[in-house]
Amino acid sequence: DAGITQSPRHKVTETGTPVTLRCHQTENHRYMYWYRQDPGHGLRLIHYSYGVKDTDKGEVSDGYSVSRSKTEDFLLTLESATSSQTSVYFCAIKGTSGRVNEQYFGPGTRLTVT
Amino acid sequence: DAKTTQPNSMESNEEEPVHLPCNHSTISGTDYIHWYRQLPSQGPEYVIHGLTSNVNNRMASLAIAEDRKSSTLILHRATLRDAAVYYCILRGGSQGNLIFGKGTKLSVKP
Repeated sequence: DAGITQSPRHKVTETGTPVTLRCHQTENHRYMYWYRQDPGHGLRLIHYSYGVKDTDKGEVSDGYSVSRSKTEDFLLTLESATSSQTSVYFCAIKGTSGRVNEQYFGPGTRLTVT
Repeated sequence: DAKTTQPNSMESNEEEPVHLPCNHSTISGTDYIHWYRQLPSQGPEYVIHGLTSNVNNRMASLAIAEDRKSSTLILHRATLRDAAVYYCILRGGSQGNLIFGKGTKLSVKP
């Protein structure tokens, strides 16, 4: 158990509403990632963080923002949800920046935008 | 980023060994080989990694070819719980993220 939780685990929301997903870790890892998983695309990187207040965009960042005010929490916000953001969202943590890419994933949040 | 090639699907019988292959002919000399798996309705799970030598842990073994252009994940005795999609991943993207391909869907028959 890598000590990663995600909340909520399931959410249904309407188009145009803001949504915030939370990732919480108890391992004090520096690197945190948000991925989304859609059929036919595998997991794709949305945003990542390399420290408190240090974040950067990933491959599919349009429509998403993130914040990391504490080491243990990484928030993903959909400012105005759209149906194309219906997906399963996974958070991951990584302890080092070395060449070994050992990441630990949360259980996921299934988001449906109607 | 170096590319990996895996079979789309494989089947195994329960309690038999399973050998999951991965080709990575363009691997660089410093790329580690990682294996992850994703059980149904769960997040990906780290399985094992290696560089040049064969590796064992409590979940599996990793056999790496001498030229490092291929590797094999070995589950010594498959259980129903091992039914999952298995991903062979090299170092990953420039942002430290993992780049997932389609992986191999392993089915385990009782």
